[in-house]
Amino acid sequence: GAVVSQHPSRVICKSGTSVKIECRSLDFQATTMFWYRQFPKKSLMLMATSNEGSKATYEQGVEKDKFLINHASLTLSTLTVTSAHPEDSSFYICSARVVGRLYNEQFFGPGTRLTVL
Amino acid sequence: SQELEQSPQSLIVQEGKNLTINCTSSKTLYGLYWYKQKYGEGLIFLMMLQKGGEEKSHEKITAKLDEKKQQSSLHITASQPSHAGIYLCGAERAAGNKLTFGGGTRVLVKP
Repeated sequence: GAVVSQHPSRVICKSGTSVKIECRSLDFQATTMFWYRQFPKKSLMLMATSNEGSKATYEQGVEKDKFLINHASLTLSTLTVTSAHPEDSSFYICSARVVGRLYNEQFFGPGTRLTVL
Repeated sequence: SQELEQSPQSLIVQEGKNLTINCTSSKTLYGLYWYKQKYGEGLIFLMMLQKGGEEKSHEKITAKLDEKKQQSSLHITASQPSHAGIYLCGAERAAGNKLTFGGGTRVLVKP
């Protein structure tokens, strides 16, 4: 199966700083990547859809100026949490949709645990 | 998501016993996906169902989608400790559309 990596796997930062999380498709091209957020013991909540070469589409209630998404190539999307606060602490997971696949099969990264002190 | 209900929320079974997880949508689905997640890790794709009445099996896991394409079940036969984890169903409303996830079912298999 296709492999998606995320970096870093864990990050601890101080309140007010910005944190960048990378999502890479290692052995396939992904025109579309998705960013999810997961709270403890909760399901995944879609934050935004990242399209290569265009602006991301954010879900209702997600601040686009807070969570900056850049999809500069067919294998890399980045999520930057700007001016992080403790309430931004969460598990962030990305997924990538394979180009040319008939179904909406998404391959997920291992996730990034963000802790804001 | 309130549009996609999973039940039960958690499940503890004795090793060797069968278990079933249900996923119900308020609207007709284009596709229904099942994933497994271990705590603090990403999601592992299990199966995808698209046709009404479809049933797929992989090893000891069987997933079904009803004829109306609004309800799916995931059945594990003779459960093992390796089956422990969080099972998530994801709904696709239209072709190429985003996935909406259910609340997840935590499964614990007691040896």
